Amino acid sequence: AQKITQTQPGMFVQEKEAVTLDCTYDTSDQSYGLFWYKQPSSGEMIFLIYQGSYDEQNATEGRYSLNFQKARKSANLVISASQLGDSAMYFCAMREGNYGQNFVFGPGTRLSVLP
Amino acid sequence: SQTIHQWPATLVQPVGSPLSLECTVEGTSNPNLYWYRQAAGRGLQLLFYSVGIGQISSEVPQNLSASRPQDRQFILSSKKLLLSDSGFYLCAWSSSGNLITYEQYFGPGTRLTVT
Repeated sequence: AQKITQTQPGMFVQEKEAVTLDCTYDTSDQSYGLFWYKQPSSGEMIFLIYQGSYDEQNATEGRYSLNFQKARKSANLVISASQLGDSAMYFCAMREGNYGQNFVFGPGTRLSVLP
Repeated sequence: SQTIHQWPATLVQPVGSPLSLECTVEGTSNPNLYWYRQAAGRGLQLLFYSVGIGQISSEVPQNLSASRPQDRQFILSSKKLLLSDSGFYLCAWSSSGNLITYEQYFGPGTRLTVT
């Protein structure tokens, strides 16, 4: 079974509007970390935001926020005030395991920001 | 500050030829090291990870192998490339210790085309 599900293969958003990218995960561990990465067309993977399983507050990093709903096992990324430079692939990832060495990525969502 | 290097950036190799991709990390000690492969338009597939010198864990059995001859050096190899080995190969590192909270940092990647 897939551990990370991203149900939106592609998304469009108008510049300056907010957009939510969905991510659901599956784990039996109590302690785990959730991450979002951005991959522009250049191929580099850019870390955006982290949420720990024990964190009660939703993580925020500038225009990025993570809507963490633990009971539903979802960790959606919200990008506010979209910019043209936000057009990229976005990957949700989870880190679990006894030593946290297992890092699993979702299939990604391609976001296109329209002018 | 920490940096991660990968080379070569691009590679075109014939089927049946050997492969050697190198990854080195600077500015940190005893990192966890990872090799991923990304097919065009797809997510990341974890191939190997290493928590120390000479310690390699394989996630996907195939004709690839990995080695860690030094603390901050990680090498991906193949004796005979297949067409299906084409893809974008990413090396990553993360801090060891309390791993759940530590993100991965990615190298610039190697784009491999097997002809």
